[in-house]
Amino acid sequence: AQSVTQPDIHITVSEGASLELRCNYSYGATPYLFWYVQSPGQGLQLLLKYFSGDTLVQGIKGFEAEFKRSQSSFNLRKPSVHWSDAAEYFCAVQGGGSNYKLTFGKGTLLTVNP
Amino acid sequence: DTAVSQTPKYLVTQMGNDKSIKCEQNLGHDTMYWYKQDSKKFLKIMFSYNNKELIINETVPNRFSPKSPDKAHLNLHINSLELGDSAVYFCASRIQGHNEQFFGPGTRLTVL
Repeated sequence: AQSVTQPDIHITVSEGASLELRCNYSYGATPYLFWYVQSPGQGLQLLLKYFSGDTLVQGIKGFEAEFKRSQSSFNLRKPSVHWSDAAEYFCAVQGGGSNYKLTFGKGTLLTVNP
Repeated sequence: DTAVSQTPKYLVTQMGNDKSIKCEQNLGHDTMYWYKQDSKKFLKIMFSYNNKELIINETVPNRFSPKSPDKAHLNLHINSLELGDSAVYFCASRIQGHNEQFFGPGTRLTVL
């Protein structure tokens, strides 16, 4: 069964500081991996995704993530955080087959201090 | 606008009532999903339909009954609502052959 672990429930950074959100996955084959962001009271917005190829993927809003198969990780990074980045971040793994269901981690809440 | 839309956005109701949430997508997708986000923000798949056929049913109580009248719509009917049903319900859609799912804005259900 596929699963995702986001070890950090809550992270606080200062505006302008760098950010790394951790994600570890469990899946028997090559995974499809996603990062979503949810602002307060809003829906889910896709930040970036990894399917294959280059292990460093670029997303929207200046985010990037690196797939490391040996560590079963897909950590999200941003070199300089903006106050508007404060939100809940979800990592997700997707199986293939006929259903492509997403299995989400429990999320990491990002607080940005001015 | 092309999107996944859900109605209503907010739903407050009493325990024991029956309610429905509607989802529509005009993206031409053929697979649709319902996810539940609980009070701790944990997101979990509930159902998936592909071309109006149920393909995922993740141990959801049978008080929940999805209905897909056509490929563009996936509604969720909930009977005998319980306090634990309070959550945000997200609809999503995907086109066959592509992995990315597009999410609706969510419906916040509060059961009193």
